[in-house]
Amino acid sequence: QSLLTQPPSVSGAPGQRVTISCTGSSSNIGAGYDVHWYQQLPGTAPKLLIYGNTNRPSGLPDRFSGSKSDTSASLAITGLQAEDEADYYCQSYDRSLSGWVFGGGTKLTVL
Amino acid sequence: DVQVVESGGGLVKAGGSLRLSCAASGFTFSSYSMNWVRQAPGKGLEWVSSMSSGSRYIYYADSVKGRFSISRDNAKNSLYLQMNSLRAEDTAVYYCARGCRGDCYMSDYWGQGTLVTVSS
Repeated sequence: QSLLTQPPSVSGAPGQRVTISCTGSSSNIGAGYDVHWYQQLPGTAPKLLIYGNTNRPSGLPDRFSGSKSDTSASLAITGLQAEDEADYYCQSYDRSLSGWVFGGGTKLTVL
Repeated sequence: DVQVVESGGGLVKAGGSLRLSCAASGFTFSSYSMNWVRQAPGKGLEWVSSMSSGSRYIYYADSVKGRFSISRDNAKNSLYLQMNSLRAEDTAVYYCARGCRGDCYMSDYWGQGTLVTVSS
């Protein structure tokens, strides 16, 4: 059982907006630790999508955005495209474990 | 360009050992923390271990503590993961991933991974 909870799946039509939630606790997100998001396309390695809650690596389209509030975080994808179909993972640090924690992952399907 | 390339995966029997290597290029390796993250077949990501740039700080997931050992050779731009007393549940793709210059808990560049299969 992951300490960060994500919905197993989300879906949306091309051009639509979808959000993926990541719910933690007072020992990780709620303790002030940053949340990061990774995209994993089928058969490939994870790729950093959002770091430090809201920051995009250079070159990443602004269709992707992150937010954080209290013990949870969200990833929003606007203008959905077929190539966005992938697994998305949130990640933070947990002070009780003294280690990284990942969400269970969310599979995004573009209808 | 930043690159990290893993090697050393393979098939091993339960109780056996394996040493993974990660060759880094395209950045000042000695200035960055480095990490190992694994992914069991069809499952999510699981953090395994992290090491600070100067090797002073080392962290392990509880699931591998006492069995795995992370190390690095900054002169060779290489990261290693010595895995002992392997179990079937250690079967996964192991990713080497670059951390940060300072204190952080994330990875911005990931290798393609190396598959470790532990037979019971």
